Amino acid sequence: GQNIDQPTEMTATEGAIVQINCTYQTSGFNGLFWYQQHAGEAPTFLSYNVLDGLEEKGRFSSFLSRSKGYSYLLLKELQMKDSASYLCAVYDSNYQLIWGAGTKLIIKP
Amino acid sequence: DVKVTQSSRYLVKRTGEKVFLECVQDMDHENMFWYRQDPGLGLRLIYFSYDVKMKEKGDIPEGYSVSREKKERFSLILESASTNQTSMYLCATQSRTREGLETQYFGPGTRLLVL
Repeated sequence: GQNIDQPTEMTATEGAIVQINCTYQTSGFNGLFWYQQHAGEAPTFLSYNVLDGLEEKGRFSSFLSRSKGYSYLLLKELQMKDSASYLCAVYDSNYQLIWGAGTKLIIKP
Repeated sequence: DVKVTQSSRYLVKRTGEKVFLECVQDMDHENMFWYRQDPGLGLRLIYFSYDVKMKEKGDIPEGYSVSREKKERFSLILESASTNQTSMYLCATQSRTREGLETQYFGPGTRLLVL
């Protein structure tokens, strides 16, 4: 079956750095997305990786290793507004989007 | 900016009622999706559509149907609502390009409570 694993919950301190991991087993791979979802709101797009390596976008970076079926989202200089759930999703060989359950990130002052 | 709107943010219905959830997008995207989101389970695909009058079953279509009469509008129908359909329902759109598929854009969601 197809599966995406991410930690259920993480806690970090304001101003610090946090890394959210995502591992996947899917039938084929056509790209990996990270979305941010604040409580009670819709997911919003953060990043897209299709090739191995690190993509940096301001305070957020996303890394992909296709051989390991692994990605992480790195958040630097954490702010209270970064408290949200972070969803990992993978396009399989049929371009169906497979979603992880999300990681709830709690930021403490 | 892509705008995806859903007919209601919150909805309370009784068991057995017919429920219509409507999604409208203004970006001329070909693809539209309906998901439900429950705690600990992530997003689960109910139905999707790649064109007008076209629909495909997702992972959990039982108890639902859809309608796409116009490109910008995709409706989700619960023929006879049940308590296990209490959930957050999210509509998403996506464009097709020569390079492949683009990211999905989500509406604000409808939180449905079935009593």
